[in-house]
Amino acid sequence: DAGITQSPRHKVTETGTPVTLRCHQTENHRYMYWYRQDPGHGLRLIHYSYGVKDTDKGEVSDGYSVSRSKTEDFLLTLESATSSQTSVYFCAVSRDGSSYEQYFGPGTRLTVT
Amino acid sequence: EDQVTQSPEALRLQEGESSSLNCSYTVSGLRGLFWYRQDPGKGPEFLFTLYSAGEEKEKERLKATLTKKESFLHITAPKPEDSATYLCAVRTPNAGNNRKLIWGLGTSLAVNP
Repeated sequence: DAGITQSPRHKVTETGTPVTLRCHQTENHRYMYWYRQDPGHGLRLIHYSYGVKDTDKGEVSDGYSVSRSKTEDFLLTLESATSSQTSVYFCAVSRDGSSYEQYFGPGTRLTVT
Repeated sequence: EDQVTQSPEALRLQEGESSSLNCSYTVSGLRGLFWYRQDPGKGPEFLFTLYSAGEEKEKERLKATLTKKESFLHITAPKPEDSATYLCAVRTPNAGNNRKLIWGLGTSLAVNP
């Protein structure tokens, strides 16, 4: 258990509204990731962070932005939600050092109507 | 292009009926292969990391093995509680400091009592 929480766990929102998902970790991991998981596509990386205020894009970053102002929090913002962003969103962390395995949070189910 | 393919997509076993799941990869210079278990409605849970051909790791009824082109997750005498989706991911030299992983789509395993 890497001490990861995600909020909210479920959210329904309307097309065009901004949405922010929060990932909080308690173990000071340097690396944090946001994924979305959809049937037929598996886990796809949206954005990741390699330190406070250090972020970069993943493979499906269009329509999403992130911020990391503190080690423990990584925020994902959907600037103007669309129905194609209906998905399950997972946050993950990776420890520093030579091991690269990632540890996941419980997920947020987002529905855009 | 670096790629991870898992097979079969779905597998149904009777309790006690041993089998194997496959993860094949086409990456140059593997730097680690990871197995995860995912239960419905939850985030992936880390199981094993394998680094070099010939390496094996075990946990309860699960044993993971690695060759130069693929990895197997052997399940010995499975129980209904082993039912889950099993995900495979790899790290390549191109990941660099960002620690990104390439994910397979998973094998959905159902074990009937």
